[in-house]
Amino acid sequence: DAGVIQSPRHEVTEMGQEVTLRCKPISGHDYLFWYRQTMMRGLELLIYFNNNVPIDDSGMPEDRFSAKMPNASFSTLKIQPSEPRDSAVYFCASSLRLVSETQYFGPGTRLLVL
Amino acid sequence: SQQGEEDPQALSIQEGENATMNCSYKTSINNLQWYRQNSGRGLVHLILIRSNEREKHSGRLRVTLDTSKKSSSLLITASRAADTASYFCATETRRGSNYKLTFGKGTLLTVNP
Repeated sequence: DAGVIQSPRHEVTEMGQEVTLRCKPISGHDYLFWYRQTMMRGLELLIYFNNNVPIDDSGMPEDRFSAKMPNASFSTLKIQPSEPRDSAVYFCASSLRLVSETQYFGPGTRLLVL
Repeated sequence: SQQGEEDPQALSIQEGENATMNCSYKTSINNLQWYRQNSGRGLVHLILIRSNEREKHSGRLRVTLDTSKKSSSLLITASRAADTASYFCATETRRGSNYKLTFGKGTLLTVNP
């Protein structure tokens, strides 16, 4: 298996623009997670899905952030409009059965909002 | 402070030495996991220890768990320059009926050749 795939790997955009990050989880995994990593706050869970259904979005910073999982093999995290403070590395991860079991991380998307 | 906190924040050792990192947490857990992150890369799972286990080994890694003290340690023996990375502990936390893994801020390990 190719592992968790994320695209793009790097994104530079201007404040106010819409940003869409994409993730393909490992086939057969029931759970998908979106994390954000910054130096100040470390690794934060934004939202996670179980069988394509959002379970906990309490970590989503504000309404500018939205996430979807239209099918078992694809998820998006959208920021609209983007702000400089959104600059971070965004990781997608998936796990087979349970939230607390081993999570497999993608390589991340490094986002810079100017 | 966070559910999982690693100590120290940074550790620098010479190749061949052992490296010990600690993690403290606050609430009861089902399991505790350790992850590694190389610079600019995603996290990679190293080892999982369940709440009814006290010690676990995997190659040069040894993890201990003391649920009475709510703490865990990760020992890397005979370190190599390639072990240079950040190491994170992750604990399961519960919010209502939902569970999630909460990661600490990590220990940056530098192994000097």
